[in-house]
Amino acid sequence: ELKVEQNPLFLSMQEGKNYTIYCNYSTTSDRLYWYRQDPGKSLESLFVLLSNGAVKQEGRLMASLDTKARLSTLHITAAVHDLSATYFCAVGRNSGYALNFGKGTSLLVTP
Amino acid sequence: DVKVTQSSRYLVKRTGEKVFLECVQDMDHENMFWYRQDPGLGLRLIYFSYDVKMKEKGDIPEGYSVSREKKERFSLILESASTNQTSMYLCASTQLAGGFSSYNEQFFGPGTRLTVL
Repeated sequence: ELKVEQNPLFLSMQEGKNYTIYCNYSTTSDRLYWYRQDPGKSLESLFVLLSNGAVKQEGRLMASLDTKARLSTLHITAAVHDLSATYFCAVGRNSGYALNFGKGTSLLVTP
Repeated sequence: DVKVTQSSRYLVKRTGEKVFLECVQDMDHENMFWYRQDPGLGLRLIYFSYDVKMKEKGDIPEGYSVSREKKERFSLILESASTNQTSMYLCASTQLAGGFSSYNEQFFGPGTRLTVL
């Protein structure tokens, strides 16, 4: 059974600081996704990572994938308040197109 | 842009009622999914469908059924609503693509917050 674990689950950080969110998964997969969810809103796709060593960057967020370690990271650089949200990683199952989601990391960026 | 819509943003129902949640996507996607989201549990897959009239159980199908009569529409049915089905329900869709080299990115609807009293 594919299990997806994120840590930390809660993160409070000051503006301007850097931090990394980790996503570990238990079985082989080469499809990993990061989503953002604002309070009361739906999920917005941030990154799609499809191969070992893949790195994607958008603004202050950078995501990477190590399929051998079964690990993805979402790195936040010089955080700003607008990044406050819940971030989910999701991993593709080996059969079909369903995804398994982590429990989410609730990020709060404070002045 | 892909658009996934859900029939209601907020819904309040009573225990034992039959509840229909509707989802429509406008991008001709083959695959559609229903998740429920609960605090501290993330998203859990209820049912999904690869094609019209086809359905597959997800991880927590008990107490739910689905219907897909048209490609663009995927309905989630609570046959007899119970209080433990109070949750946020999210619909998603993705296109059919070959192999694991394709994106298969799922696009989500705005969600339906269901309260069962």
